[in-house]
Amino acid sequence: SQQGEEDPQALSIQEGENATMNCSYKTSINNLQWYRQNSGRGLVHLILIRSNEREKHSGRLRVTLDTSKKSSSLLITASRAADTASYFCATDAAAGNKLTFGGGTRVLVKP
Amino acid sequence: DTGVSQDPRHKITKRGQNVTFRCDPISEHNRLYWYRQTLGQGPEFLTYFQNEAQLEKSRLLSDRFSAERPKGSFSTLEIQRTEQGDSAMYLCASSSLGGSSYNEQFFGPGTRLTVL
Repeated sequence: SQQGEEDPQALSIQEGENATMNCSYKTSINNLQWYRQNSGRGLVHLILIRSNEREKHSGRLRVTLDTSKKSSSLLITASRAADTASYFCATDAAAGNKLTFGGGTRVLVKP
Repeated sequence: DTGVSQDPRHKITKRGQNVTFRCDPISEHNRLYWYRQTLGQGPEFLTYFQNEAQLEKSRLLSDRFSAERPKGSFSTLEIQRTEQGDSAMYLCASSSLGGSSYNEQFFGPGTRLTVL
């Protein structure tokens, strides 16, 4: 079963625009991670946010976490065509154990 | 390249055959995970190891699935008597529990299985 649910399922934007996607989950977590996957390839780790953190930045990425609402968001600023990929959130209920993934958001950045 | 590697990258087999996949984790990582991903879905957890100990295998899809990590380094995932429903991408990941890594899992490129 998948705990996280991403919203929207698909997103199409122009290069240079920002892309925002949301993730909701059901149970308590130790941390939440975001991954990117290009078509047919493996997953690339983007960012990890701990349950006691509210916001984290990495380059053009900004992640927020609201544990009271059991939700997280990923913002990609100044998008590029190379950002075209599927983005997944994954929750870790107890550090070091399995990740539970959502269904992903498919992002298309048009040049 | 010192990332997670998987072999083979692609496997086509006939229904009823056995298949085995290999995963080599990042060398200093003590945890190794197997996931399965079907088209359009997120990865689904199967099992994981800490060193050579298999800590959770309840999510292995049936008794046709088994995994080993005999020396705490590489791991193998075997599917016996494959069925068409086993067609998927099988992903391996590794992590280092403790320190500052906080369980970032690093994924390999996956093995794509097609069962005819």
